[in-house]
Amino acid sequence: DAGITQSPRHKVTETGTPVTLRCHQTENHRYMYWYRQDPGHGLRLIHYSYGVKDTDKGEVSDGYSVSRSKTEDFLLTLESATSSQTSVYFCAISGGGPGTGELFFGEGSRLTVL
Amino acid sequence: GENVEQHPSTLSVQEGDSAVIKCTYSDSASNYFPWYKQELGKRPQLIIDIRSNVGEKKDQRIAVTLNKTAKHFSLHITETQPEDSAVYFCAASPSGNEKLTFGTGTRLTIIP
Repeated sequence: DAGITQSPRHKVTETGTPVTLRCHQTENHRYMYWYRQDPGHGLRLIHYSYGVKDTDKGEVSDGYSVSRSKTEDFLLTLESATSSQTSVYFCAISGGGPGTGELFFGEGSRLTVL
Repeated sequence: GENVEQHPSTLSVQEGDSAVIKCTYSDSASNYFPWYKQELGKRPQLIIDIRSNVGEKKDQRIAVTLNKTAKHFSLHITETQPEDSAVYFCAASPSGNEKLTFGTGTRLTIIP
């Protein structure tokens, strides 16, 4: 398995609280991604990064922000969590340039917003 | 943007039989079509992918076909085994992973 870890793996929080999920890689890959997975929706891209301090929005970015201050770390922040953000969040990495293929996923972080 | 539809949402097949999962896409510029497998409670993993300059690709018991004119692609699994039970996702992109759109998934169950 690619060296990619997510933390925390499980979190329960209340509506309105801030939440930060961390993705850490040891592969020195340029590209990092945050997806959410919900029943009936598959995997949807929230934000991605193509280098340190270089990030862009994905399909469902509203309510989320990201930061990448080091190659190995990509943080996803929910400034004020809502129940609609209850989901399983997956970080992914890929090497090389655009269109080069395989995404390596982390083990996922299950977030419950009460 | 791209829209990927995947069918069926659930599929049960007898062990040893074949399984076929179909996807359609909307963006004619899409040129990269990967398939990911997700076992229960695990992370998605790439099992096969195809690019638009190829009509078919095989890897042991797994094959993918692409029809660019009709804008659909399919996953074929032959001689199914219990370990094939999982959720399978198709995806399409016109320009790399940052534009990758996933289908909604097919839960495949292999009946012993």
